[in-house]
Amino acid sequence: DAMVIQNPRYQVTQFGKPVTLSCSQTLNHNVMYWYQQKSSQAPKLLFHYYDKDFNNEADTPDNFQSRRPNTSFCFLDIRSPGLGDAAMYLCATSREFSGAANEKLFFGSGTQLSVL
Amino acid sequence: RKEVEQDPGPFNVPEGATVAFNCTYSNSASQSFFWYRQDCRKEPKLLMSVYSSGNEDGRFTAQLNRASQYISLLIRDSKLSDSATYLCVVTSGYALNFGKGTSLLVTP
Repeated sequence: DAMVIQNPRYQVTQFGKPVTLSCSQTLNHNVMYWYQQKSSQAPKLLFHYYDKDFNNEADTPDNFQSRRPNTSFCFLDIRSPGLGDAAMYLCATSREFSGAANEKLFFGSGTQLSVL
Repeated sequence: RKEVEQDPGPFNVPEGATVAFNCTYSNSASQSFFWYRQDCRKEPKLLMSVYSSGNEDGRFTAQLNRASQYISLLIRDSKLSDSATYLCVVTSGYALNFGKGTSLLVTP
């Protein structure tokens, strides 16, 4: 059974049209992360939540926002998608911060975003 | 200097071969180390953690050299199903830092 679920698997949006990607987890983990991965690139951390505490990476564009209304759900909002935002968006969870010794990440299957 | 660096490959090897990947990291305070496997257009999946003493899981052996700040992954008796991208992952503070990955193609 999938423990970190991302919807949709594929998302197509138009240039400048707001889009929301969703992630849910059944693990009751404290931490939820959003990563962006472009082709042949490493996953890049956009932001994370520890419970309701939000942390934005310094180089995450303002165009990207996130919401975590409860433990189980987390959303990524892209306010005005540009062509350069086409990527795979990965949601991940961990029980505690992944910097703790051997704390593992559990990934969802990702949402592949295309911008036309 | 990037935090985590890997040779992108691709590594093309025949079935049954032994192949090794290396990864270097820049933050000497890094605590935890992992190898993840990622198939094309799929999410990364944990292959194994890397411990200071080195560890083995079947055909896979991982080693950590803290003094030189590198991690290695050895795959013995390669299978066609091992074809994937292997991501080296190192913790830095609250998050994991990923390398770009090394691409492996195992051929018949």
